[in-house]
Amino acid sequence: DAKTTQPNSMESNEEEPVHLPCNHSTISGTDYIHWYRQLPSQGPEYVIHGLTSNVNNRMASLAIAEDRKSSTLILHRATLRDAAVYYCIRANSKLTFGKGITLSVRP
Amino acid sequence: DGGITQSPKYLFRKEGQNVTLSCEQNLNHDAMYWYRQDPGQGLRLIYYSQIVNDFQKGDIAEGYSVSREKKESFPLTVTSAQKNPTAFYLCASSIWGVNTEAFFGQGTRLTVV
Repeated sequence: DAKTTQPNSMESNEEEPVHLPCNHSTISGTDYIHWYRQLPSQGPEYVIHGLTSNVNNRMASLAIAEDRKSSTLILHRATLRDAAVYYCIRANSKLTFGKGITLSVRP
Repeated sequence: DGGITQSPKYLFRKEGQNVTLSCEQNLNHDAMYWYRQDPGQGLRLIYYSQIVNDFQKGDIAEGYSVSREKKESFPLTVTSAQKNPTAFYLCASSIWGVNTEAFFGQGTRLTVV
């Protein structure tokens, strides 16, 4: 029971910003929001996580809505290597993955 | 070089045979996890362990067994009771808790013929 909702797919152009949305309307106050990404035939890779405040790291930014019912993963400048399946996860003692969103990047 | 290692990368077995997948980590993590992934699907949790000599069932534990005798190791046995064992199996480890990142191995692709 992933309890997050993501679009199935999204396309982006190389070197443009990408905003990947996620809905988690039933999130509880102690659940963290995690994002992972997975390339074909590889294990998932951690991207970012947060609780209430917006978060930035070298890979991406995470914008969390004030009511915490949704969040957006922001890739500031998409590259071809960013093409992957991105999973938004509501973490409450363990990570439960949904189907994720497939990001395609056009050259 | 710290990390999490799964072996082998590809595994073939005959139907009705038990098979054990290896997962080793040298990150000093207390928590370890096993996931199963079918084509076009997300990951589903099979078993997880918060500490040595303790483990809990995940969402799809039937037909699988695990042990956690050492902190570094969390082997998964796919038994003959698992009705549809062909899948991509992923192992992960982390510091226990949700305010932390998990590290995944590169997976073992099991094919049962």
